[in-house]
Amino acid sequence: NAGVTQTPKFRVLKTGQSMTLLCAQDMNHEYMYWYRQDPGMGLRLIHYSVGEGTTAKGEVPDGYNVSRLKKQNFLLGLESAAPSQTSVYFCASRRPTDTQYFGPGTRLTVL
Amino acid sequence: AQKITQTQPGMFVQEKEAVTLDCTYDTSDPSYGLFWYKQPSSGEMIFLIYQGSYDQQNATEGRYSLNFQKARKSANLVISASQLGDSAMYFCAMREGTFQFYFGTGTSLTVIP
Repeated sequence: NAGVTQTPKFRVLKTGQSMTLLCAQDMNHEYMYWYRQDPGMGLRLIHYSVGEGTTAKGEVPDGYNVSRLKKQNFLLGLESAAPSQTSVYFCASRRPTDTQYFGPGTRLTVL
Repeated sequence: AQKITQTQPGMFVQEKEAVTLDCTYDTSDPSYGLFWYKQPSSGEMIFLIYQGSYDQQNATEGRYSLNFQKARKSANLVISASQLGDSAMYFCAMREGTFQFYFGTGTSLTVIP
């Protein structure tokens, strides 16, 4: 089992460009999450999904969109990247009665 | 108000000694869970220990134990017999209700040989 994987691992964007981060899990988990981690601020929840076709906003959803068309995949989109979105992005998945399992992270820089 | 507060930005501990990392939380939901994660310099998030709000006993996992004081809303992590490999960032987190998670700002632990 690969667990939770994230694609890409690193990305540099220019302001205004768009991109999609892919999270995939092979553990058949119902719930999936996207977080961002900034220095000194811990992890903050962007969006989450409790099942295929459902998404919900977390603590810091502005500037991001998500989709969960398949149970194993959770996509995070930036339509018009801004320097404030420079961060490390973590995806996580879990069963309803379990802890979260995290992916390795994606380091995004917006110039 | 902050949902999770970790007041120790950095901590030092001598190898083989025990160390306590502090965490307080704020919620009015009767159903919640408390977690500790370790983040080494390589960046991955590693789950350490979990305590449910209805659990009567403090959770333990090997050298890790969670000192759960519900009335004080604290969930401190105790690491016994510290090892050099314990040097890392440690994050306290809370699951509020079924879905939402909140993380603290973390504590950087350095184990001194």
